[in-house]
Amino acid sequence: GESVGLHLPTLSVQEGDNSIINCAYSNSASDYFIWYKQESGKGPQFIIDIRSNMDKRQGQRVTVLLNKTVKHLSLQIAATQPGDSAVYFCAENISGGYQKVTFGIGTKLQVIP
Amino acid sequence: NAGVTQTPKFQVLKTGQSMTLQCAQDMNHEYMSWYRQDPGMGLRLIHYSVGAGITDQGEVPNGYNVSRSTTEDFPLRLLSAAPSQTSVYFCASSYRLAGGTPNTGELFFGEGSRLTVL
Repeated sequence: GESVGLHLPTLSVQEGDNSIINCAYSNSASDYFIWYKQESGKGPQFIIDIRSNMDKRQGQRVTVLLNKTVKHLSLQIAATQPGDSAVYFCAENISGGYQKVTFGIGTKLQVIP
Repeated sequence: NAGVTQTPKFQVLKTGQSMTLQCAQDMNHEYMSWYRQDPGMGLRLIHYSVGAGITDQGEVPNGYNVSRSTTEDFPLRLLSAAPSQTSVYFCASSYRLAGGTPNTGELFFGEGSRLTVL
């Protein structure tokens, strides 16, 4: 899992470049892995999820990759825009019939115009 | 489209005071939950509910009570506020997929309630 600290990991990316945000997870029993985006002063917003039996899923400008061998999840954002500046959280859901979602500490994405 | 509504948005309490954070959703979601967000800690689950009349503890339940008398409402009660409860609180709701399909983990969050305990 991710270590706990007072300061968020930060990724600075030039506008138009691709962004890759990484996450390590701890629970092999999770059914789904999810990425959320949180803009300043707002609640987290769902971006994309991937089921544990998949290794790649694409959405609009985003791709999530899952490597179960090393318990690693990544979110790729193509052609990063200023509106992508936010904190991104990876999360995992051990479903079992209810939504009990566990979040990582987050990564702050700064887009440089 | 209201979604998940939290009140109040801001609150300042003195140590020992009690209060209730309100959460209401209009999406007929079965699942509701409360998280707290602290710097560098991500979001931590306090309590959750899988339906009216059913609640359970999450990762950090101490000092908080919940009840779920209706599908729409899921209030969070602080019985005797402590400075360690200074945080931003988020309520979230979600649907249950039919037919035993595993739930994806898609949560719908409110805008948050910022609580300061002096």
